[in-house]
Amino acid sequence: QVQLQESGPGLVKPSQTVSLTCTVSGDSISSGAYYWSWIRQHPGKGLEWIGYIYYLGSTYYNPSLKSRVTISLDTSKRQFSLILSSVTAADTAVYYCARVPSGSYFQSDYWGQGILVTVSS
Amino acid sequence: DIQMTQSPSSLSASVGDRVTITCRASQTIKSYLNWYQQKPGKAPKLLIFAASSLHSGVPSRFSGSGSGTDFTLTISNLQPEDFATYYCQQSKSIPYTFGQGTKLEIK
Repeated sequence: QVQLQESGPGLVKPSQTVSLTCTVSGDSISSGAYYWSWIRQHPGKGLEWIGYIYYLGSTYYNPSLKSRVTISLDTSKRQFSLILSSVTAADTAVYYCARVPSGSYFQSDYWGQGILVTVSS
Repeated sequence: DIQMTQSPSSLSASVGDRVTITCRASQTIKSYLNWYQQKPGKAPKLLIFAASSLHSGVPSRFSGSGSGTDFTLTISNLQPEDFATYYCQQSKSIPYTFGQGTKLEIK
């Protein structure tokens, strides 16, 4: 069964750039069968879709974050990454990576456990 | 963006009860509606996709219905492990958006 695991810094200073990585096991991220996505959850709040990437490199972002977000894929490492620039306290959240079957209803069928990113000086 | 509105925001029920959670979209999303369950400190888990299709391994006491703008999640014969927060999500139009959540608590 597919497993996803987020990694990255837990603490970032305001105005800096944070880079998170999701390592996928039990599945191929270059098969074309899936999109690979990022979703975040502010403390005690609801869920916010950030964006996803397809194995060919096509990316789709939430317009509210598009100017600061980059999602990329490293098939050799079975990883995909999220880069968020110019962070503020409003970016403090748990960040989840998730798999999205292509050719379906774009549901996030398997998720990583999440990583808390705190933006603070 | 498509707005998703869930009701109620919270709900108290007992083991063995049948409960229904409603999700309404601000515009038609056909059947591009998914339901997730989240327990404290854990990642969300997919329950239902395409409005009514049960995800692999999800107990049959969970069911979904609806299309267009109005959807429901029904849990029959509530079990202790079902007390959690439930979210709907539309995946018809980017950005995909979630409802605010419904917290299901033990009465």
